[in-house]
Amino acid sequence: GNSVTQMEGPVTLSEEAFLTINCTYTATGYPSLFWYVQYPGEGLQLLLKATKADDKGSNKGFEATYRKETTSFHLEKGSVQVSDSAVYFCALSEQWGAQKLVFGQGTRLTINP
Amino acid sequence: EAEVAQSPRYKITEKSQAVAFWCDPISGHATLYWYRQILGQGPELLVQFQDESVVDDSQLPKDRFSAERLKGVDSTLKIQPAELGDSAMYLCASRPTSGIVNEQFFGPGTRLTVL
Repeated sequence: GNSVTQMEGPVTLSEEAFLTINCTYTATGYPSLFWYVQYPGEGLQLLLKATKADDKGSNKGFEATYRKETTSFHLEKGSVQVSDSAVYFCALSEQWGAQKLVFGQGTRLTINP
Repeated sequence: EAEVAQSPRYKITEKSQAVAFWCDPISGHATLYWYRQILGQGPELLVQFQDESVVDDSQLPKDRFSAERLKGVDSTLKIQPAELGDSAMYLCASRPTSGIVNEQFFGPGTRLTVL
């Protein structure tokens, strides 16, 4: 079945550091790929998305490129801020059928001033 | 900005009791989802509705869980009886009918603690 694997956390960085959170997926067909962010005590917010190979999703300084050859969708940001501290989830949506979202286990990010 | 509403935000109950969660999706969103998120894990789909019809409930433990969306708008998820292992965050999400990309909008969730 479809699955998403994220890098193990937690991740702790200093402010202005470069961020990479790895995400790889297993799916049939051509799924859509997403990054969601969850702040403490809140629901999930869509951060960015990509719907086909080589698409780059971007938002709030975060970027991720849909790499079909490596089945990856790594999240990057050039200079993180304390306010970026949250849990980040990589997810895919099946191309066919009910199109449910399949999530990775999440990566907790803490940014220290 | 329209949001998905959920209530209650927090619920503490004893095992074997019944609990119910409510979700009001964004107006006009025909597709509604209930997810369960165990602490430290990603959300997992419990049930998906298209209007008032169930599209996917393959992961719903039907011996104790039930979900309904009678008028195709708001929805209720019920657990009876609750077990210790049901402690989790229950998230509701909705999606517009139109649109190619499966972009789902999430509510704040209900955190359930079973004692």
